[in-house]
Amino acid sequence: AQTVTQSQPEMSVQEAETVTLSCTYDTSESDYYLFWYKQPPSRQMILVIRQEAYKQQNATENRFSVNFQKAAKSFSLKISDSQLGDAAMYFCASSPPAQGGSEKLVFGKGTKLTVNP
Amino acid sequence: DAGVIQSPRHEVTEMGQEVTLRCKPISGHDYLFWYRQTMMRGLELLIYFNNNVPIDDSGMPEDRFSAKMPNASFSTLKIQPSEPRDSAVYFCASSLGQGGEKLFFGSGTQLSVL
Repeated sequence: AQTVTQSQPEMSVQEAETVTLSCTYDTSESDYYLFWYKQPPSRQMILVIRQEAYKQQNATENRFSVNFQKAAKSFSLKISDSQLGDAAMYFCASSPPAQGGSEKLVFGKGTKLTVNP
Repeated sequence: DAGVIQSPRHEVTEMGQEVTLRCKPISGHDYLFWYRQTMMRGLELLIYFNNNVPIDDSGMPEDRFSAKMPNASFSTLKIQPSEPRDSAVYFCASSLGQGGEKLFFGSGTQLSVL
């Protein structure tokens, strides 16, 4: 069974600075996908970034980038030039590829990010 | 497209009452998921459908919970009878395909069972 662990329940960062959120996972799959989702106070879950495990290059989306360490099963999220709108809960998640139509996305418990002006 | 639409946004009910949560997925999405979010357990997958057929309901906590998807544009999650420990935010999500596809979430239903 897959597990996803986020060891930082809360983090804070000053506006315009950089912050890194940690995530580790455990899976027996050789291929899988990793995600970071953002949940602002509005409650809507929004995809921030996605990484395919067979791709060695780290995914980036504007100010968001990941540090994917496959051997260590680590998938951290770096937010550069933090903005007040980045304040939210961030969830790391892992999903196996489709196997007979049965696939599940497993979430970590989340990290609450506060951005200080 | 308006995105995944859930109703109601908030539901307050008394223990023992039946609760029905509703979801309209994004048109063309073949997969529909129901998640429950609590402080203690985080986000848990309850059940998911592929082309309106339930594929995996192993996350449904007990027989008081049931979910249906009578057509491609509508799904319900029913709790009968409801209990205070069912209080949570219930999310519906849909996606185009399998594995690494992006999930599109609804805004969730905040359920409070008194």
